[in-house]
Amino acid sequence: DAGVTQSPTHLIKTRGQQVTLRCSPKSGHDTVSWYQQALGQGPQFIFQYYEEEERQRGNFPDRFSGHQFPNYSSELNVNALLLGDSALYLCASSLVGFQETQYFGPGTRLLVL
Amino acid sequence: SQQGEEDPQALSIQEGENATMNCSYKTSINNLQWYRQNSGRGLVHLILIRSNEREKHSGRLRVTLDTSKKSSSLLITASRAADTASYFCATYNTNAGKSTFGDGTTLTVKP
Repeated sequence: DAGVTQSPTHLIKTRGQQVTLRCSPKSGHDTVSWYQQALGQGPQFIFQYYEEEERQRGNFPDRFSGHQFPNYSSELNVNALLLGDSALYLCASSLVGFQETQYFGPGTRLLVL
Repeated sequence: SQQGEEDPQALSIQEGENATMNCSYKTSINNLQWYRQNSGRGLVHLILIRSNEREKHSGRLRVTLDTSKKSSSLLITASRAADTASYFCATYNTNAGKSTFGDGTTLTVKP
């Protein structure tokens, strides 16, 4: 039973560039949430996707956008990267109706120079 | 700002000792969860306690919840070096549809 997978594991970008991060949910899960974790802090909720639509959104600017595909996998896109976007980006999957129980992927570490 | 706040920020103990971490939160919750994170990797779910529960056990873990004080504690008994990690509490509110994390407690267990 495959768990949550994320790609790439590490990424280095420069300010102003755009980045796309990918997530495949745990088998059987249909809901994907994205979190940003800055160094030394807890994860902060970015948004959640279910049925290919954004259902919930945290306090993040429109530079952060996402997509969910029919196979439930998801992408996180960040435009016009800022130095402050450097963080570990975590994807979590769950089953609708049981969103409280989330399974996290290993994360993508993004460094913006 | 984050919903949950863990206390202490850092904790260092000897193997075999017990470790206690506390979490306070601000708004009403449906449940509270504790996670472990090793060296900036993904989070591992440890235990979930619902708002109508006061205490829950799982192996060497004991979690308490006091909704009147909006606080929770995680006790790890007979700690091991492998327990060295960051521990986070997360509150879940059904209406908000999301989990809100604190900034964590970094636990170091010395062999």
